[in-house]
Amino acid sequence: AQKITQTQPGMFVQEKEAVTLDCTYDTSDPSYGLFWYKQPSSGEMIFLIYQGSYDQQNATEGRYSLNFQKARKSANLVISASQLGDSAMYFCAMREFLYNFNKFYFGSGTKLNVKP
Amino acid sequence: GAVVSQHPSWVICKSGTSVKIECRSLDFQATTMFWYRQFPKQSLMLMATSNEGSKATYEQGVEKDKFLINHASLTLSTLTVTSAHPEDSSFYICSARDEMETGKNIQYFGAGTRLSVL
Repeated sequence: AQKITQTQPGMFVQEKEAVTLDCTYDTSDPSYGLFWYKQPSSGEMIFLIYQGSYDQQNATEGRYSLNFQKARKSANLVISASQLGDSAMYFCAMREFLYNFNKFYFGSGTKLNVKP
Repeated sequence: GAVVSQHPSWVICKSGTSVKIECRSLDFQATTMFWYRQFPKQSLMLMATSNEGSKATYEQGVEKDKFLINHASLTLSTLTVTSAHPEDSSFYICSARDEMETGKNIQYFGAGTRLSVL
């Protein structure tokens, strides 16, 4: 089974609007971390936000927030007030802290296009 | 956040030559670094885990003799693509974790290297 699933290959959003990028995960490890990265066309992977499995509150970092629903095993990224510079690929990733600490599982990515 | 530097960012080489890519952690030490390969419009594929002072751990299907990894210090790992062929053309990207950064275990990535083999 896929560890990380991103079901939206591409998304469009109007500038200044909010957008949600979906991510579901699969693990039996009780301790894990969920990450979102942004990859612009230049190729670098930029860390955006982190959510630990034991964190009680949803993570927020500026315009980014993570809608963590543990029972549903989902970790959706919400970008508020989209900007043209947000156009990029977005990857959801997971690390299992007990089972395989060094392995980082990536989803297939979502390409976000912000329209002016 | 921590900074990972990767060099070169772009390399073009002739078929049969070897190419070395460097990955440095600039402001932290990393006993473990990771090398990924990414094909166009696809996700990152882990190639190997680079371990300081010991042999790298390769993922299934990755040729050890083709992709030589050396992790000679706590801040530097190198990936050498030996006898490169056009099918080795790809985007290679490294990452490292700041092991002193407790809690989040964030992986920081280099800017990547685009390899084109003619």
